[in-house]
Amino acid sequence: DQQVKQNSPSLSVQEGRISILNCDYTNSMFDYFLWYKKYPAEGPTFLISISSIKDKNEDGRFTVFLNKSAKHLSLHIVPSQPGDSAVYFCAAQLNQGGKLIFGQGTELSVKP
Amino acid sequence: KAGVTQTPRYLIKTRGQQVTLSCSPISGHRSVSWYQQTPGQGLQFLFEYFSETQRNKGNFPGRFSGRQFSNSRSEMNVSTLELGDSALYLCASRLDGTYEQYFGPGTRLTVT
Repeated sequence: DQQVKQNSPSLSVQEGRISILNCDYTNSMFDYFLWYKKYPAEGPTFLISISSIKDKNEDGRFTVFLNKSAKHLSLHIVPSQPGDSAVYFCAAQLNQGGKLIFGQGTELSVKP
Repeated sequence: KAGVTQTPRYLIKTRGQQVTLSCSPISGHRSVSWYQQTPGQGLQFLFEYFSETQRNKGNFPGRFSGRQFSNSRSEMNVSTLELGDSALYLCASRLDGTYEQYFGPGTRLTVT
């Protein structure tokens, strides 16, 4: 039972344009969502998070949007840079427990 | 502040052996979680420790165990290794009362 889904395995974007990464979830009890960036053979790097009581959170070039009625969140990167090329994971958490439930990841490629 | 450290970074073991992996959290973080990443299953939660007690556990067989020491450092142990245990094992720490988990670089375990 995949509670967190990233339906696009890959995304290619031109440098300077917007990258939009999507994530859907099934459990309406999730109360916190996080995005991580990962390079091969390294640990995930925390990017940005959002509480279920908010619908938007912004940090520099990164903005996360949460649509609770649709059980959907998205990560916007503007402007995209070649150094953003990596695998992006969304994750969800229940009740501040230590268990993060991850999506399968989306590989972003930003072309110069 | 130093990040999460994991040792060793790479390990090769034979089926039937056991292995112990180590994790040192960020200073001040008392919660440590462990994850397994494989190409087929993605990132999956193993367990979480807080103040030397297992607080949460994922859906893994009893061959996977862990512990935490009074200085918050944690170890995980896998006994009777199987080929399917080959994976990247990741440790993450967080400040109690927060959601964001910070990951170490991982230990790449290969079972032959």
